[in-house]
Amino acid sequence: AQSVAQPEDQVNVAEGNPLTVKCTYSVSGNPYLFWYVQYPNRGLQFLLKYITGDNLVKGSYGFEAEFNKSQTSFHLKKPSALVSDSALYFCSHGNFNKFYFGSGTKLNVKP
Amino acid sequence: NAGVTQTPKFQVLKTGQSMTLQCAQDMNHNSMYWYRQDPGMGLRLIYYSASEGTTDKGEVPNGYNVSRLNKREFSLRLESAAPSQTSVYFCASSRDFSPYEQYFGPGTRLTVT
Repeated sequence: AQSVAQPEDQVNVAEGNPLTVKCTYSVSGNPYLFWYVQYPNRGLQFLLKYITGDNLVKGSYGFEAEFNKSQTSFHLKKPSALVSDSALYFCSHGNFNKFYFGSGTKLNVKP
Repeated sequence: NAGVTQTPKFQVLKTGQSMTLQCAQDMNHNSMYWYRQDPGMGLRLIYYSASEGTTDKGEVPNGYNVSRLNKREFSLRLESAAPSQTSVYFCASSRDFSPYEQYFGPGTRLTVT
């Protein structure tokens, strides 16, 4: 079965500190992994994706993600959090014609 | 360049009523999708369309129908609304299937009483 899991419902971090939002996956075949961000009352916005190649992927707004095949993880990271990063983050896996989403992690960045 | 647009933004229906949610994209994308978002459950795929003229069921298709009217437009119809269909509905499009990223509309908040 294909699935994506986000083990934390909420992550709290102080502004200026590094942040990590966790994602693990269970897929058959090659994993195509994505991160999206959702601001209140808005649709999801694409941040970054991993298809193949370098395990460290860089994306929009200073975010990056590390693909770890042995741990089946694809954690989202940012070296220095901003209050404006506060939002709902979704990890996703795409397999040919279907996409599977995690349940989402709410990131709270406090001043 | 509007991206993905959805209408209406909000809708309240009574049980048994029908309605159609409209979606259009101006990015010349081949693939389009309908999702529902419920608290704590992420997004669940209702239907998708690989290309103009084709549609397929996703994870939760019961109670819904879709039409890919042309390359730009993909509509979602609720024939007989039920309270369990209260949700936020998102349309999305992508250049093609995975590994291409999806672009999402702003959503339709539907309440069925």
